[in-house]
Amino acid sequence: AQSVTQPDIHITVSEGASLELRCNYSYGATPYLFWYVQSPGQGLQLLLKYFSGDTLVQGIKGFEAEFKRSQSSFNLRKPSVHWSDAAEYFCAVGGGSQGNLIFGKGTKLSVKP
Amino acid sequence: DADVTQTPRNRITKTGKRIMLECSQTKGHDRMYWYRQDPGLGLRLIYYSFDVKDINKGEISDGYSVSRQAQAKFSLSLESAIPNQTALYFCATRGQGRGQPQHFGDGTRLSIL
Repeated sequence: AQSVTQPDIHITVSEGASLELRCNYSYGATPYLFWYVQSPGQGLQLLLKYFSGDTLVQGIKGFEAEFKRSQSSFNLRKPSVHWSDAAEYFCAVGGGSQGNLIFGKGTKLSVKP
Repeated sequence: DADVTQTPRNRITKTGKRIMLECSQTKGHDRMYWYRQDPGLGLRLIYYSFDVKDINKGEISDGYSVSRQAQAKFSLSLESAIPNQTALYFCATRGQGRGQPQHFGDGTRLSIL
């Protein structure tokens, strides 16, 4: 079955510290992978995507993610977190021409001053 | 102006009422989607449409219906609202082509008393 797992429901980091949010997926074909961020009262904004090529992808706001096929993972990283990064983050997997996405349940990020 | 606009942004109504949520887009995308978001459950797909004449059920379509009035407009209806349909609803669009991301509106927060 196709699925996305984000093992961490809530993470708290200090401002300036590094961040890694985990995402594991199960998908029968070549996956397209996405990370979205949702700030309070807002819709989902695309941070980055992967569908081929270099397995380390750069996104907006200083985020990057690495696709590891052997581990079925697509973890999101940022070297130095800012208070404005506090939000909920969603990993999603999709594929094929239909473009339907399967979302993880999200990881809420809190940032300590 | 937002590329994907949802109206209303907030709605409180009573059990048994008919509700329509509207979505319009200026991105020129042919594919449109309706999701609901519940705390701790991520986003779940209700309906999706690839063009005006192509509408498909998603994971949780029971109790919902949709109408694709034009390429740019996709409405979601609750014929007889019930309290467990209280949620945050998102509309999304997607262009054609492999690996294209979905683009989200800001959501409609619906409360059913």
